[in-house]
Amino acid sequence: RKEVEQDPGPFNVPEGATVAFNCTYSNSASQSFFWYRQDCRKEPKLLMSVYSSGNEDGRFTAQLNRASQYISLLIRDSKLSDSATYLCVVTQDNFNKFYFGSGTKLNVKP
Amino acid sequence: GAVVSQHPSRVICKSGTSVKIECRSLDFQATTMFWYRQFPKQSLMLMATSNEGSKATYEQGVEKDKFLINHASLTLSTLTVTSAHPEDSSFYICSARGPVHEQFFGPGTRLTVL
Repeated sequence: RKEVEQDPGPFNVPEGATVAFNCTYSNSASQSFFWYRQDCRKEPKLLMSVYSSGNEDGRFTAQLNRASQYISLLIRDSKLSDSATYLCVVTQDNFNKFYFGSGTKLNVKP
Repeated sequence: GAVVSQHPSRVICKSGTSVKIECRSLDFQATTMFWYRQFPKQSLMLMATSNEGSKATYEQGVEKDKFLINHASLTLSTLTVTSAHPEDSSFYICSARGPVHEQFFGPGTRLTVL
């Protein structure tokens, strides 16, 4: 069973739309959670950390549900520049293990 | 964010040769660096964890004699793909762990083995 599972998409949305991605993780001992963004043929870049209380950064909101073992990312007012693959990441073993989901591809269309 | 560089960005080599990839943290010291491999349309797969001054920890299924890792200083880790074969062609990405455990990724090295 994979450590982290994501819907690969693609999610095709118009500019201005709100879109949400979910990600589930299998190990209840997972400690920290992140969303990364990866553009085509580039390295992943940290988008935001995910806290139990939920956190927001501009148009982006991340939520963690430990009981159900899933995290979510909500993007409001989508921009063309949001088009990318969004990777869900969980850590274990005091940050010595990072597990990446396979990513969810987002295409924002004009 | 912190800057991590990788060199080379792209390499094409013949089957049977060895290729060395360097990963440097440019503006911070990283006691821990990670090496990943990503095949097309797949997720990043952790290959090994590199700790400065000690042996690397390899993930299950990754041959330590084929993928040699050296982390000789707090700013440099190297991955050497020995006796490369076409199936080793992939995107290799390193990351360095920052002061609050976040990972900063290098730009990646695209290896093509002919």
